[in-house]
Amino acid sequence: DGGITQSPKYLFRKEGQNVTLSCEQNLNHDAMYWYRQDPGQGLRLIYYSQIVNDFQKGDIAEGYSVSREKKESFPLTVTSAQKNPTAFYLCASSVPGGSGELFFGEGSRLTVL
Amino acid sequence: QKEVEQDPGPLSVPEGAIVSLNCTYSNSAFQYFMWYRQYSRKGPELLMYTYSSGNKEDGRFTAQVDKSSKYISLFIRDSQPSDSATYLCAMSEDSNYQLIWGAGTKLIIKP
Repeated sequence: DGGITQSPKYLFRKEGQNVTLSCEQNLNHDAMYWYRQDPGQGLRLIYYSQIVNDFQKGDIAEGYSVSREKKESFPLTVTSAQKNPTAFYLCASSVPGGSGELFFGEGSRLTVL
Repeated sequence: QKEVEQDPGPLSVPEGAIVSLNCTYSNSAFQYFMWYRQYSRKGPELLMYTYSSGNKEDGRFTAQVDKSSKYISLFIRDSQPSDSATYLCAMSEDSNYQLIWGAGTKLIIKP
């Protein structure tokens, strides 16, 4: 079955540690996205990538980093510079030029202690 | 003021009721309108997609867009407990533009 796989589903880390969230897709989509979701707020775009080896900052990129070395993979690193990293992180993909529909993974819940 | 406003709820209704969920927006250039459903601790999934104005129906779900009022709605008929979820509206100017999201409305259908 095609889809987006995010791991881990739950992650606990101490303050000051970097963490990397994995996102893999087998939908053959060119575009991939990382969103952050906090209670009572809409999805906020962290980074997106339209093509391999290229990515752009979204609205809240500070304290985060990404790479896009393969079409299938778009990992997100939450660095120690991110002031409030506890959140639900969602990875998505889409077909550029289509309806704009996003296909989401099941999310990763990061809690910083 | 946010570009897209959506009441976070929760909205609690009895099973079988008609549910109305709404979003208002400020950018008159928006043309693509979507409703996503998100179950607890899961990723959102596309429920309804509408281009420009008008209505779209899919089973028990109807999406309406009123561009003159900058207002979109999602109606759910014969609501079921399995419809309990958070409903997020999203919109964009162009299919290649980034989606702008509402905060999501938490819906609870009581058996």
